[in-house]
Amino acid sequence: GENVEQHPSTLSVQEGDSAVIKCTYSDSASNYFPWYKQELGKGPQLIIDIRSNVGEKKDQRIAVTLNKTAKHFSLHITETQPEDSAVYFCAATGNQFYFGTGTSLTVIP
Amino acid sequence: GAVVSQHPSWVICKSGTSVKIECRSLDFQATTMFWYRQFPKQSLMLMATSNEGSKATYEQGVEKDKFLINHASLTLSTLTVTSAHPEDSSFYICSADRGALNEQFFGPGTRLTVL
Repeated sequence: GENVEQHPSTLSVQEGDSAVIKCTYSDSASNYFPWYKQELGKGPQLIIDIRSNVGEKKDQRIAVTLNKTAKHFSLHITETQPEDSAVYFCAATGNQFYFGTGTSLTVIP
Repeated sequence: GAVVSQHPSWVICKSGTSVKIECRSLDFQATTMFWYRQFPKQSLMLMATSNEGSKATYEQGVEKDKFLINHASLTLSTLTVTSAHPEDSSFYICSADRGALNEQFFGPGTRLTVL
């Protein structure tokens, strides 16, 4: 089956700085890579996703890059704000969803 | 669009009782719904995959008789925790698959506390 690794597990940045979270996967058949933001006591919310036929996707301050050859993808948040503080999960999916272990991001005002 | 709701958001029950959690896709039809369990500071653990009109597929180690799943319509799936015990206390989250693109949209979660 698929194995998704996510790093780092915790990340603290100053407000305004960038944050990068990386995930690797093992199954070359995976073709859909979403990122979720989960605030305390709430369900995960899809913030951006990318499919295997695209190398990069951007939505305002959030971007995702995908390297299919190396089997890794990354979430980039620029100009971070305190409200970006949350746990972020990556996922890789082909026939099933496989989640990363999560990254707790803290943006320090 | 793609809104998923869960009810209740928080439930406290006595040990030995059963609790039903509802998951609804509000603005789309979901052929497949998923149930997850999440412990504090951990990732989501898939419990079962629920397809409308058929029996749910449970992940290894998940007791079918304890976690009853019903997916009676394209917009509603229910998870019933039977004879709940304190170790069943957790955050339960459902998600719904909107279509062939493998997109999953999550509900807000239900916190279950068993006394």
